[in-house]
Amino acid sequence: SSELTQDPAVSVALGQTVRITCQGDSLRSYDATWYQQKAGQAPILVMYGKNNRPSGIPDRFSGSTSGNTVSLTITETRAEDEADYYCNSRDRSGDLVVFGGGTKLTVL
Amino acid sequence: QVQLVESGGGVVQPGRSLGLSCAASGFTFSTYAMHWVRQAPGKGLEWLAVISYDGTKTYYADSVKGRLTVSRDNSQSTLFLQFDSLRREDTAVYYCAKDTVVTTRTNWFEAWGQGTLVTVSS
Repeated sequence: SSELTQDPAVSVALGQTVRITCQGDSLRSYDATWYQQKAGQAPILVMYGKNNRPSGIPDRFSGSTSGNTVSLTITETRAEDEADYYCNSRDRSGDLVVFGGGTKLTVL
Repeated sequence: QVQLVESGGGVVQPGRSLGLSCAASGFTFSTYAMHWVRQAPGKGLEWLAVISYDGTKTYYADSVKGRLTVSRDNSQSTLFLQFDSLRREDTAVYYCAKDTVVTTRTNWFEAWGQGTLVTVSS
């Protein structure tokens, strides 16, 4: 079973703000990373480290951390943001990587 | 630009072995750790393994430890995965992914291949 917990599904109205969360004990020690995966495509990195966005990822995407929970916030949500979102981090040993179960974001 | 191309997928019988390759281009392959991640049909992402930039260190997920071997040929910019004693539940798309920081292992996968489908079936 995954050591990182995500809500299976979240919905947001077009243009509104949505927060996707990832919870796990290892997040107290290690940063989380966020990936976006659209249907039939490979994942892409959207957030890493302490709120770092790769080039090409709009600033509508931001990250935050509180205790054992990390969040990916999307403002002014667009239809193109509809996708599965996965967090990952290190396990307690620090040597292995674990993924959350993923959150399916639906834009209404 | 960075390009990762997996190959070697297909249908394999339970109990048999399979080898996958990931051809890398567009970056200095020998300076980055590389990862394998899989995704069963309709399921989430599962990290499998990482190999250090120089190939001296490998780490495996508990779920595949003992059945999976990851290696690399830096002279050919190619990553390999050898999977033994395959089970039906190993059916998945297998992705290779590039780490983000030079010579360091992280959980930041800044580039992914398109994946190769492995189907374990008799």
